[in-house]
Amino acid sequence: QKEVEQNSGPLSVPEGAIASLNCTYSDRGSQSFFWYRQYSGKSPELIMSIYSNGDKEDGRFTAQLNKASQYVSLLIRDSQPSDSATYLCAVITFSTDSWGKLQFGAGTQVVVTP
Amino acid sequence: DARVTQTPRDKVTEMGQEVTMRCQPILGHNTVFWYRQTMMQGLELLAYFRNRAPLDDSGMPKDRFSAEMPDATLATLKIQPSEPRDSAVYFCASGLGRQDGQFFGPGTRLTVL
Repeated sequence: QKEVEQNSGPLSVPEGAIASLNCTYSDRGSQSFFWYRQYSGKSPELIMSIYSNGDKEDGRFTAQLNKASQYVSLLIRDSQPSDSATYLCAVITFSTDSWGKLQFGAGTQVVVTP
Repeated sequence: DARVTQTPRDKVTEMGQEVTMRCQPILGHNTVFWYRQTMMQGLELLAYFRNRAPLDDSGMPKDRFSAEMPDATLATLKIQPSEPRDSAVYFCASGLGRQDGQFFGPGTRLTVL
């Protein structure tokens, strides 16, 4: 079992609809959570970070964290064709003797159809 | 416009040759990461440095890979000797803290023939 899991997709979303992406993690000690967007042939781009349970909104993006259930999700409202990309979930588990353990999920491909 | 820079952007080499990739982190960022990305394995963390000191290189094949940070503005990743299985995109990323996320460079696409 991978420590950070995401559905690989593709997740097909009509333009204007809400895209919902999920990520689960196995280490209960994980403390920082990030979402990255990666266009084909490009590098990952940080779009959201979240550390506390609940929702965090930034423009059309909302990140949701539930540490008890060990999942973090990303909602993209009013999806646009330019949102078509792979979305990577990243999790950091802090440790006292080092900076921490950082892991990425395999990513979910999102395709927004006009 | 602060960004991570990487050189070269593309590298084609023959098996057995030495490959050196360079990264300039964002000025002021004290944590630097090296990743490798392939279709099969996804994004893999190879090594990272904090304040120029190596903190974790457990993801890196020790026999052929080495990573250094000779100064705060330069990180290097070397492969010697290179093998076809090393073909991948290598990303450098930099950041400030564990709650700040990382900023990725454009990557070096390595092809080993």
